[in-house]
Amino acid sequence: QSALTQPASVSGSPGQSITISCTGTDSDIRAYNYVSWYQQHPGTAPKLIIYDVSWRPSGVSDRFSGSKSDNTAFLTVSGLQADDEADYYCASYTKSKKLVFGGGTKVTVL
Amino acid sequence: QVQLVESGGGVVQPGRSLRVSCAASGFIFSNYGMHWVRQAPGKGLEWVAVISSNGNKKFYGDSLMGRFTISRDNSKNTLYLQMSSLRVEDTAVYYCAKDPAGDTTMVIADHWGQGTLVTVSS
Repeated sequence: QSALTQPASVSGSPGQSITISCTGTDSDIRAYNYVSWYQQHPGTAPKLIIYDVSWRPSGVSDRFSGSKSDNTAFLTVSGLQADDEADYYCASYTKSKKLVFGGGTKVTVL
Repeated sequence: QVQLVESGGGVVQPGRSLRVSCAASGFIFSNYGMHWVRQAPGKGLEWVAVISSNGNKKFYGDSLMGRFTISRDNSKNTLYLQMSSLRVEDTAVYYCAKDPAGDTTMVIADHWGQGTLVTVSS
């Protein structure tokens, strides 16, 4: 099972919106609405920010939103803030009953 | 609140075995599936394995080649990962994570521990 494909880096200015893509295949993202997104600051554990494509866990800012089209999922961060600077990972369930992560995207706030 | 504390990491020689543990508290451990996820130094996340709430269902990442075994002891609120025939490329921080599902499709890691570093080196 190959990793999902994410851009290596995305940047934006404070207040702007950015979108991170996550491309999979017919066997994972297209097949299920089981896409999740994780935020990881340096030296810390990942944190769940989106699950089931577009749902936010309690306590996660509504500036984070998720969507999916065909075999690609998207994470949008609106009103970019300094604390949003982190690595972001997508993950999807697969037809082989496994979980697969994307390679990660480094978000830089300019 | 949910707390997950990994332990058992360290330096181990190639070809040897090691078991890491994850002590859970703050929730009813026996009700939830549990994951292991690893992260090599400077690299991305890699899913390792998941186990259902009662331990009857286990699924593993493709790259492990049958060398790793996930298990749990619900009486001790503890998750385990037994790693054998370790390779240099298994060097990583190993995280345990809780899934909000117990026995159905386990696809979300909603709470994570801080990880334990396993270094495979001669």
